[in-house]
Amino acid sequence: AQSVSQHNHHVILSEAASLELGCNYSYGGTVNLFWYVQYPGQHLQLLLKYFSGDPLVKGIKGFEAEFIKSKFSFNLRKPSVQWSDTAEYFCAVIPNTGRRALTFGSGTRLQVQP
Amino acid sequence: KAGVTQTPRYLIKTRGQQVTLSCSPISGHRSVSWYQQTPGQGLQFLFEYFSETQRNKGNFPGRFSGRQFSNSRSEMNVSTLELGDSALYLCASSLGGLGGGETQYFGPGTRLLVL
Repeated sequence: AQSVSQHNHHVILSEAASLELGCNYSYGGTVNLFWYVQYPGQHLQLLLKYFSGDPLVKGIKGFEAEFIKSKFSFNLRKPSVQWSDTAEYFCAVIPNTGRRALTFGSGTRLQVQP
Repeated sequence: KAGVTQTPRYLIKTRGQQVTLSCSPISGHRSVSWYQQTPGQGLQFLFEYFSETQRNKGNFPGRFSGRQFSNSRSEMNVSTLELGDSALYLCASSLGGLGGGETQYFGPGTRLLVL
């Protein structure tokens, strides 16, 4: 079964700082990868996703992620965070074959200080 | 388009009771997935329904069951509630489902408290 690891549980940054959140997955086959965000009091929503092609994926609100197959990683980045980016971020993976279950990481709580 | 709706939003039950949660997907979406979110275990996949058939299932006991109706609305049932079932239950819908890797749209969740 696949698993997802998010090593940073709680990150505190000042506005304008750069952000990188780590995500590693374990699965032997090909996967689709996602980053979701949950703003305080709001629904989970999709930030970006990777299916195939260019491993550098751009999402909403200036976020991007790079899929590095050899490292089984899909790290999320943003060059300059804003206070409004305060939220919980979840990495998720679903295999392309076999049991198609979306597996989430444990989440990273990002707090951006003004 | 209206988003995914879930009812009720909050629920309090006692151990041993059963509960039914409802999810209405975005119009035109045929896949509905259910997730349990808890502080300790995070987000865990329960099951996915597509065109009234359960297509994928997570690692939850048989007390957790679901169904989907012809209009794609879905219900999830938990029987013989345990304290550990207290959680936020999320529903997500998509056009074609998990197999296509499509974007899933999440509802606000139903918060269940078991006393």
